[in-house]
Amino acid sequence: DGGITQSPKYLFRKEGQNVTLSCEQNLNHDAMYWYRQDPGQGLRLIYYSQIVNDFQKGDIAEGYSVSREKKESFPLTVTSAQKNPTAFYLCASQRQIATNEKLFFGSGTQLSVL
Amino acid sequence: SQQGEEDPQALSIQEGENATMNCSYKTSINNLQWYRQNSGRGLVHLILIRSNEREKHSGRLRVTLDTSKKSSSLLITASRAADTASYFCVCAGNMLTFGGGTRLMVKP
Repeated sequence: DGGITQSPKYLFRKEGQNVTLSCEQNLNHDAMYWYRQDPGQGLRLIYYSQIVNDFQKGDIAEGYSVSREKKESFPLTVTSAQKNPTAFYLCASQRQIATNEKLFFGSGTQLSVL
Repeated sequence: SQQGEEDPQALSIQEGENATMNCSYKTSINNLQWYRQNSGRGLVHLILIRSNEREKHSGRLRVTLDTSKKSSSLLITASRAADTASYFCVCAGNMLTFGGGTRLMVKP
């Protein structure tokens, strides 16, 4: 089955620790996105990537980092600089970065601080 | 900002009733998309309506777009308990931007 896979489903971070969230897609999509969702809220864009080895900051990039070394993979690192990391993180992909293309979402990672 | 704002923020109805959710936005858009999110899950694309379209149907879903009023509505007919979810409108300008969503509860 084609799709987008996020792991782990639940993640706990200790203070001062960096953690990495995984996102893999086998849809052959060029564009990939990371969103943060706080309880009862909408989605806010953290980072996006149009193509391999390229990525751009979204609205709330501070305290986060990404890489796009392979087309299939777009991992997100939540660094110790992110002081309020507890949230639901969603990865999405798009055939190409165009607003008339729909987004395909993973099932999300819930990050909590210990 | 082109961010869509959904109204109401929460809606509770009985099974079998129709559910209507509204979305307003501020600037011109290329298209508007609606997504659904079950609790604790990712979003699923429901329907896309282009700026030159006024109405679109997909099964029990009906979406309208009024570009003069900068608003859209999503109608779910004959609702079911399984329709319980959050629904987001996504405005497509330079980027896709999400509103805060409407939380729909359909009581059996």
